[in-house]
Amino acid sequence: DADVTQTPRNRITKTGKRIMLECSQTKGHDRMYWYRQDPGLGLRLIYYSFDVKDINKGEISDGYSVSRQAQAKFSLSLESAIPNQTALYFCATSDLGQGQSDTQYFGPGTRLTVL
Amino acid sequence: ELKVEQNPLFLSMQEGKNYTIYCNYSTTSDRLYWYRQDPGKSLESLFVLLSNGAVKQEGRLMASLDTKARLSTLHITAAVHDLSATYFCAATRIYGGSQGNLIFGKGTKLSVKP
Repeated sequence: DADVTQTPRNRITKTGKRIMLECSQTKGHDRMYWYRQDPGLGLRLIYYSFDVKDINKGEISDGYSVSRQAQAKFSLSLESAIPNQTALYFCATSDLGQGQSDTQYFGPGTRLTVL
Repeated sequence: ELKVEQNPLFLSMQEGKNYTIYCNYSTTSDRLYWYRQDPGKSLESLFVLLSNGAVKQEGRLMASLDTKARLSTLHITAAVHDLSATYFCAATRIYGGSQGNLIFGKGTKLSVKP
């Protein structure tokens, strides 16, 4: 089984709809992240969480919110989706414990299309 | 503000040739990462470089880090078609172990042709 899973894998929605993307991990990592990827722009950080009680905005948090329900779960919500939020969304996890390199491990991605 | 620039953004190579991808970052960074992404797939971690002069090798790929020049390189030796992918570098600055966001370059799309 994959260490980092994302649901759904593909989603088509309409402008103005609320949508939630979910991420679960079995790696036991404390740190979790949400990124979006757009062609030619690389990956940009939306939100990150270093533990269950810690939530931080990333580079492009406007229009998004997150919830860290448990160590293993981190959800991303679009309160009112708009077409320029069409992108590939990735969840990632990492561990900065003693002796760890804080390498981020990525989920398979969710392709979101907002019409 | 930490910025990461990769070049080239597109690279078409012939099999058997050598080439280098460059990754420059704008401010002091504690760690430098290289990832690979196949079309439509997720990102796969290749290397993490933690100190000046660090060099890591895996197969035909070798990564190095020069923190004084704020430069990391990914060298490809005797390219094969299976190396065709997009390669990303990412840098992070860590303050006392409590902050560590990755800033990604835009990626280098590598195409290896027979």
